[in-house]
Amino acid sequence: DGGITQSPKYLFRKEGQNVTLSCEQNLNHDAMYWYRQDPGQGLRLIYYSQIVNDFQKGDIAEGYSVSREKKESFPLTVTSAQKNPTAFYLCASRRHGQGSDQPQHFGDGTRLSIL
Amino acid sequence: AQSVTQLGSHVSVSEGALVLLRCNYSSSVPPYLFWYVQYPNQGLQLLLKYTSAATLVKGINGFEAEFKKSETSFHLTKPSAHMSDAAEYFCAVSDPGGGSNYKLTFGKGTLLTVNP
Repeated sequence: DGGITQSPKYLFRKEGQNVTLSCEQNLNHDAMYWYRQDPGQGLRLIYYSQIVNDFQKGDIAEGYSVSREKKESFPLTVTSAQKNPTAFYLCASRRHGQGSDQPQHFGDGTRLSIL
Repeated sequence: AQSVTQLGSHVSVSEGALVLLRCNYSSSVPPYLFWYVQYPNQGLQLLLKYTSAATLVKGINGFEAEFKKSETSFHLTKPSAHMSDAAEYFCAVSDPGGGSNYKLTFGKGTLLTVNP
């Protein structure tokens, strides 16, 4: 079955440590997105990518980095510069070039906590 | 800039009662609108979408929503709530012109509780 796989489901970070969250999709979607979810705040866009080797900052990119070397993969690194990283992180993808009526499809998320 | 307001961060209904979750949007042009549902510790699942084909949209699990341009609203309804409907619901808007690279703007969510 096609879908989006996020791993790990739970992740713990020590102070000053960088961690990388994995997102893989086999839907053949061009566009991929990373969101951060905090209680009562909805979803906030961190980074997005329309095509391989290209990505743009979202609304809250500070302290995060991404890469898009393959169409299927869009990993997110939470750097030590992100002072409040505890949150639920969601990856999404959608068909690009099909019009903005195409919905985004979501993975099951990674919950990141600070030790 | 687009924005979405979901009225009521928490809605509680009895099993079998009507579910009404409110969503109002702000957009310079009629947008595309989406409702998603999220169960605990899971991702978002698409319930339904409005893309200008019909103002009354039917989705999965018996939910439907009506686009009202004059009220800039896209409220989600279900005639009879089930215990399995307990979840968080998100309304989202997209610019139909493709502005902002098809980004979605989400509301802050409404947590639905269903009481037996």
